[in-house]
Amino acid sequence: KNQVEQSPQSLIILEGKNCTLQCNYTVSPFSNLRWYKQDTGRGPVSLTIMTFSENTKSNGRYTATLDADTKQSSLHITASQLSDSASYICVVSPWIKAAGNKLTFGGGTRVLVKP
Amino acid sequence: DTGVSQDPRHKITKRGQNVTFRCDPISEHNRLYWYRQTLGQGPEFLTYFQNEAQLEKSRLLSDRFSAERPKGSFSTLEIQRTEQGDSAMYLCASSAGTDPSGEAQYFGPGTRLTVL
Repeated sequence: KNQVEQSPQSLIILEGKNCTLQCNYTVSPFSNLRWYKQDTGRGPVSLTIMTFSENTKSNGRYTATLDADTKQSSLHITASQLSDSASYICVVSPWIKAAGNKLTFGGGTRVLVKP
Repeated sequence: DTGVSQDPRHKITKRGQNVTFRCDPISEHNRLYWYRQTLGQGPEFLTYFQNEAQLEKSRLLSDRFSAERPKGSFSTLEIQRTEQGDSAMYLCASSAGTDPSGEAQYFGPGTRLTVL
């Protein structure tokens, strides 16, 4: 069964500090991996999308890395701000050519940034 | 606002009642998805449309659930005879392109359903 596991489940950091979220997946073969940010009570918003050939991708203070050999990804938040408080969801898409949706979502990491 | 919109944002209903949610995707997006998300979990896929055709349904979508996209634009998700276990956030997303596995999905704000 394809799975996406995220860690930690939640974390608290002080404003201005950095943090790193982890995502391990078993989806194979693999097409792409995405990180979404979901504010409380809102829909997820895409931060990054990486294909299997990409190692890193940045979006402002967010930097995602991907190791397709070990099936691991991380999302690094630099100089955290209060507005970074949200759930961060790792989503993996398998390599399937047929029309359809086979995205596998992780359970998310809840980040709380404190002043 | 040209993003994905959902209506209503919140719905409280009594067990056994029917509810219907609406999703308006980003215009010209030909794919539309419905997901269900419970507290502390990631979204779970329910169903998917390409234009007006419903191409895939998850086994999570019981007989009490039905989704339509009659004109290939907005979509509705109906839940009949609601149960307390149906309480969740129902998310809609849309995308455009030729490769559904490779394109970004844009999510709406969701409809939070509470079944009493």
